Amino acid sequence: GQNIDQPTEMTATEGAIVQINCTYQTSGFNGLFWYQQHAGEAPTFLSYNVLDGLEEKGRFSSFLSRSKGYSYLLLKELQMKDSASYLCAVMDSNYQLIWGAGTKLIIKP
Amino acid sequence: DAGITQSPRHKVTETGTPVTLRCHQTENHRYMYWYRQDPGHGLRLIHYSYGVKDTDKGEVSDGYSVSRSKTEDFLLTLESATSSQTSVYFCAISGEGDVAKNIQYFGAGTRLSVL
Repeated sequence: GQNIDQPTEMTATEGAIVQINCTYQTSGFNGLFWYQQHAGEAPTFLSYNVLDGLEEKGRFSSFLSRSKGYSYLLLKELQMKDSASYLCAVMDSNYQLIWGAGTKLIIKP
Repeated sequence: DAGITQSPRHKVTETGTPVTLRCHQTENHRYMYWYRQDPGHGLRLIHYSYGVKDTDKGEVSDGYSVSRSKTEDFLLTLESATSSQTSVYFCAISGEGDVAKNIQYFGAGTRLSVL
């Protein structure tokens, strides 16, 4: 079967750095996505990795290792507004997105 | 922000009644999707469309049907609502091109309660 694993909840301090991990087992691979979802709102696109390595976009970076079936989202200089759930999703061989259950990130002052 | 409107935003209905949710886009995107989101689960695909009158089933399609008669509108129908269909429903769209086709943009969601 297809499976995406990520931690259920993480806590970090304002101004710090946090890394959210995602491991996957899917039928084929056509890219890995990270989305942010604030409580009661829609998911919003953060990043897309299809090749191994690091993609940097401002305070957010995303890393992919296809051989290990592993990705992480790195958030730097955490702000209170970063409190949200972070969703990892993999596009399989049928170009369907398989979603993890999300990681709820709690930022403390 | 992608122009995606879902209606209604909230709905309470009774078991056994039919319910239709609407997704309207102003982006002229080819692909449209319906997902449900439940606590402890990732987003799960119900149905998707790759063009007018072209639709296909997703992972959790039982009890749901869809229609797409115009590029901009994608309707999700619960033929006879059950309590297990209480959920938050999201519509998403994606466009053309290698990367653009793969990135999905979401509507604000519809919170449905079946009593």
